[in-house]
Amino acid sequence: RKEVEQDPGPFNVPEGATVAFNCTYSNSASQSFFWYRQDCRKEPKLLMSVYSSGNEDGRFTAQLNRASQYISLLIRDSKLSDSATYLCVVNIGYSGGGADGLTFGKGTHLIIQP
Amino acid sequence: GAVVSQHPSRVICKSGTSVKIECRSLDFQATTMFWYRQFPKQSLMLMATSNEGSKATYEQGVEKDKFLINHASLTLSTLTVTSAHPEDSSFYICSARDGETRTDTQYFGPGTRLTVL
Repeated sequence: RKEVEQDPGPFNVPEGATVAFNCTYSNSASQSFFWYRQDCRKEPKLLMSVYSSGNEDGRFTAQLNRASQYISLLIRDSKLSDSATYLCVVNIGYSGGGADGLTFGKGTHLIIQP
Repeated sequence: GAVVSQHPSRVICKSGTSVKIECRSLDFQATTMFWYRQFPKQSLMLMATSNEGSKATYEQGVEKDKFLINHASLTLSTLTVTSAHPEDSSFYICSARDGETRTDTQYFGPGTRLTVL
């Protein structure tokens, strides 16, 4: 079973629509969760961290369900510039050192159409 | 936000040569840096974790003698791909964690696209 699973898409969504995608993770010890955005042939950029209480940043809302081990991202009023690959990222925890890099999903490809 | 640079951004080399990639944290001290590799249409895969002043920790399946990592200072880590082969062609990305903030947020460099002929 893959550690972090996402629907690769592509999700083709008209501009202005709301789109949501989920991600599941297998390690119940995971402590930190993030959504990153990656544009074609570029490095990932942090979009937002995901907290148990859920958090919102403008048009973006992230939710975490620890019991079911899934994370969601909701994008409202989608813009053409939102077209990108969205990576679900999990970390088993920051221990102050050691091999604890992030585990990335393969990403969900989102295409916003005019 | 914190800035991480990588150099070179793109390199093309002949099979059998060695390639060095530098990763620098520009405005913070990075006690830990990470090296990832991404093949086309695949997710980023962690190769190794390097802590300043100590040996890197490699992920399973990554040859430490082929991918040499040096983290000699709090702002610089290097990855050397030794005796590169075409199958090493990939997008190599480093990330760095700010040692002062005690969070696990990682800041990524812009990546290095390696093509081995």
